Formats: sequence, C-alpha cells, structure tokens
Amino acid sequence: AQSVTQLDSQVPVFEEAPVELRCNYSSSVSVYLFWYVQYPNQGLQLLLKYLSGSTLVESINGFEAEFNKSQTSFHLRKPSVHISDTAEYFCAVSPLWSSASKIIFGSGTRLSIRP
Amino acid sequence: DTGVSQNPRHKITKRGQNVTFRCDPISEHNRLYWYRQTLGQGPEFLTYFQNEAQLEKSRLLSDRFSAERPKGSFSTLEIQRTEQGDSAMYLCASSFPGLAGGENTGELFFGEGSRLTVL
Repeated sequence: AQSVTQLDSQVPVFEEAPVELRCNYSSSVSVYLFWYVQYPNQGLQLLLKYLSGSTLVESINGFEAEFNKSQTSFHLRKPSVHISDTAEYFCAVSPLWSSASKIIFGSGTRLSIRP
Repeated sequence: DTGVSQNPRHKITKRGQNVTFRCDPISEHNRLYWYRQTLGQGPEFLTYFQNEAQLEKSRLLSDRFSAERPKGSFSTLEIQRTEQGDSAMYLCASSFPGLAGGENTGELFFGEGSRLTVL
C-alpha cells in the first residue's frame, strides 16, 4: 500500500519569499509522483508530475519539485512566491503498476501569502 | 464549458434519506473517478471506472454507496440511508487511460465537487 505524508498543514510566507512544501511518501513499489493545487473556490488541478527521467520537474508558474528516492521525498519549492500562489497544495502518488489508475493524496498544505 | 461537471453542487439532507450525485466527465475521457474529501484532509479514493466497467472500489465504499456509469459517459454516485459521517465533499475526476510513462499519465481533471451535509 502507498501513503503520503505532508507534515505542514499550513505554511504562511511573505510575498517574494522562498517556500518549500514538504512531501514524503511510503511505498513498496515504484511510484509516479504528483503535486495538485486547489485555488480558492476551484477544483483541484495538476501542478506538476514526476514519471521518469530527470528527478527535477518544473511547472509553468515557477514551482519545481525534486524526486529523492533515497529519502522518499518529493518536496515542492518556489524561489519567490506571489499572492496568486495562495492555495492548498496536495502531494500524491500512484503505483507504476496501476498506470496511474489509483492516485493516493496527502492531507494537503495550505499556503498563505502575506503582502 | 468543457470541464468536468458535477450536480448538485450542494445537498443538505436529513439522516436516513437517499442522495444521488451526478458527474459528467470530459467527453473524450474514458476513465472516471470518485473521491471523497473531508475538512482538513486530502481526497480519498472511492472508486473508478474505465468506460462502463467499475474496476476498483475502496473499502471506504460501504454497502450504502453505489456508483454507476451505465453508458460509459456520465456517472452517478448514490448514498442510501445517509449518516452524519457521510457529510463531505464528493469529487469526480476524469482522465485518459494512463499508459506507463505516457504524456497523460496521472493527470486527473476534477470537477468542483458536490458538498453533502447530513443533518
């Protein structure tokens, strides 16, 4: 079975400051890794994903995440946040054998940006 | 709008009543998922369909829950004899089939959810 731990339920940061949202996972098999984002009053949407290849993946709005197999982590980072990044962020995993048919989500981290 | 559509958006019901939620996925997606989300938690997997076939059900899905996708297009999630513990946001998502390493692997397109309150 797979599980995802997001240690921080809330992360407050000042605008233009860097941020890291932590994600650790547990799995006995190889997994795909994802970050989903939920902006206020909107549905969840994919932010970025790691399937294979380079362990560093990037989103179009400046976020990046690095897959670290030895530490079973997939932390999300941004060097300088904007007010528009205010949202809840969910880390998720899916076992490779499932062809991503079964995606397990963490409990989420609420990112709040202070001006 | 060609996204995933869920109805109703909000439902308030009394304990013991039956409720039904509908999900219309993106038309070319053949996979459809139901998740449940409670306050402070991430989405919990309930079940998923590939076309009209229900391929997996979570142990969270008790006998009071049933999901259908009769023609491989829209889906319904029915909860019978609702309990207060059923109060949650019910999320529907759709996707292309995930080929290993394929471009579309893992991207779920979510609706805005149906919020159930059981009094």
